[in-house]
Amino acid sequence: EVQLVESGGGLVQPGGSLRLSCAVSGFTISNLWMSWVRQAPGKGLEWVANIKPDGSEKYYMDSVKGRFTVSRDNAKNSVFLQMNGLRVEDAAVYYCARSDWPHDYWGQGTLVTVSS
Amino acid sequence: EIVLTQSPATLSLSPGERATLSCRASQSVSTSLAWFQQKPGQAPRLLIYYASNRPTGIPARFSGSGSGTDFTLTIRSLEPEDFAVYYCHQRSSWPYTFGQGTKLELK
Repeated sequence: EVQLVESGGGLVQPGGSLRLSCAVSGFTISNLWMSWVRQAPGKGLEWVANIKPDGSEKYYMDSVKGRFTVSRDNAKNSVFLQMNGLRVEDAAVYYCARSDWPHDYWGQGTLVTVSS
Repeated sequence: EIVLTQSPATLSLSPGERATLSCRASQSVSTSLAWFQQKPGQAPRLLIYYASNRPTGIPARFSGSGSGTDFTLTIRSLEPEDFAVYYCHQRSSWPYTFGQGTKLELK
């Protein structure tokens, strides 16, 4: 059974940091691009970041460049999102995803709340 | 950045009716467009990829069409479980983007 399980979300003050983790089971990520997508409460979807299988290429949406870092540990079948300098507008459910069509698997998400 | 504009924002229909959802891109995305369904509290679910292809397990009542800048998702005969929010999504170029969503609600 395919599972992507995100963790690491929580309440953080503006300017703070969080590190999200995504533990994958049911398939091996080592040859796959992996992604993070977010959704603010009651809002639409935003594609946050992509990372190449070997980690050599990373892409970020403009508003998180320089603040967020995506990484992976293929040996542990896991993907990470380091979020620094968090802003109120970063508050969202963050989903980890494998999205190489037609294969498309998402976790259930982890909630990040940014508030003082 | 490619902007995707979905219409209508809300669509009110009854079970058994046909639903037609539109997505327009600000520039050509060729066929690098997908449709997702999302229900409250759930992750998005891929319905259509590369504009007109259905993944295994997606019912045949869902179909997609279009290329370039204009795309359509058609649900042939609505079932009760189809009432949800639908998003189009392009991956023609980075940053990948989504439309703002169409809410399909029960009339």
